[in-house]
Amino acid sequence: DTAVSQTPKYLVTQMGNDKSIKCEQNLGHDTMYWYKQDSKKFLKIMFSYNNKELIINETVPNRFSPKSPDKAHLNLHINSLELGDSAVYFCASSHLPSGTVNEQFFGPGTRLTVL
Amino acid sequence: GDSVTQMEGPVTLSEEAFLTINCTYTATGYPSLFWYVQYPGEGLQLLLKATKADDKGSNKGFEATYRKETTSFHLEKGSVQVSDSAVYFCAPRSRRGYNKLIFGAGTRLAVHP
Repeated sequence: DTAVSQTPKYLVTQMGNDKSIKCEQNLGHDTMYWYKQDSKKFLKIMFSYNNKELIINETVPNRFSPKSPDKAHLNLHINSLELGDSAVYFCASSHLPSGTVNEQFFGPGTRLTVL
Repeated sequence: GDSVTQMEGPVTLSEEAFLTINCTYTATGYPSLFWYVQYPGEGLQLLLKATKADDKGSNKGFEATYRKETTSFHLEKGSVQVSDSAVYFCAPRSRRGYNKLIFGAGTRLAVHP
């Protein structure tokens, strides 16, 4: 009955490879997010989808491509991995605010290590 | 652009000590303010929030008051426990845009017995 789940939890890969991280939420939320947390714990939003539509797209290399097949899933595909992509990636979900304050619920994170 | 500044960690305290973690922000409009906590090896969890000036958010003995005049949202706890050891993130959310939270590097708290 996990609210926001991510797979895999750990991912170790070589430079130049392509990899995907999957995220699923069972909270009935309509909005999902991807965040990147670097080694110094700095956390920054990358993307957000609302009802399968991209609504936040920060300055992220176009090697990163989010895909939302439905409201409950948001996957992150990364092409041509680089050393600097090593980080912990967090998925989150919420209702889209409409005059109220909506909490974001975070997944446990995926630790990506690029060798 | 919107930003948040937190005191640098780590903050190291003995059990039952008083905790303050400072947070100041810049944001367009009149943001909602959040504190999230990240326990070791886990994702972030909402700790408390405040949506308007002078609101006080509180949870698990932690408190923070929305100070519009100083654009601050300092986190306090009167008596910390070892189980409070975690990274704490202050995050404003602008009323413009799509529920976009602005995080920084957080502040690591280490509480010793």
